[in-house]
Amino acid sequence: DQQVKQNSPSLSVQEGRISILNCDYTNSMFDYFLWYKKYPAEGPTFLISISSIKDKNEDGRFTVFLNKSAKHLSLHIVPSQPGDSAVYFCAASAWGNKLVFGAGTILRVKS
Amino acid sequence: NAGVTQTPKFQVLKTGQSMTLQCAQDMNHEYMSWYRQDPGMGLRLIHYSVGAGITDQGEVPNGYNVSRSTTEDFPLRLLSAAPSQTSVYFCASSYPGLAGGMGEQFFGPGTRLTVL
Repeated sequence: DQQVKQNSPSLSVQEGRISILNCDYTNSMFDYFLWYKKYPAEGPTFLISISSIKDKNEDGRFTVFLNKSAKHLSLHIVPSQPGDSAVYFCAASAWGNKLVFGAGTILRVKS
Repeated sequence: NAGVTQTPKFQVLKTGQSMTLQCAQDMNHEYMSWYRQDPGMGLRLIHYSVGAGITDQGEVPNGYNVSRSTTEDFPLRLLSAAPSQTSVYFCASSYPGLAGGMGEQFFGPGTRLTVL
């Protein structure tokens, strides 16, 4: 039973356009959400996070939106760049508990 | 500052062999974790530690042992390797995050393990 789901295995976007990566969760106890980015043959790197007391967090080209009632979060990348091509993992944790990861979405940004 | 280091980068084992994957961090992080990444499964937690001398099981602990004798090191032992343990293994470390849980984790480069 996957508590964190990324239903799109892959996404292809033109350079300069917006990339939207989606993530759904089932555990209502989750109160902290993170996005990680992973290039081939490297470990994941932290990108951006949001706590459940907020509905939006921005960091440069990256914005994460949280909709608690829908148990849904999304990562927006604007504008998308070829260097953004990677696997993106959504992760969530509950109070004092460990991270649960989604299966990942492969983003390809075409130039 | 080397961050999180893992050795070896690649390993091939025969069924039944044992081995230890090494992980070290130089950031004085309290939390350390081991994950495995399999196609379509994302990252799944094997074991984790919230400090020296304290370890606990994650989602997929069977067939693996860990110990945490120092803050810096967190080795993962495969007791008797099986083909189902063919995977990419990542070690991670972090300070406690918001609400005391695991915060932003720093990952090592991974160990690609094949069990024949």
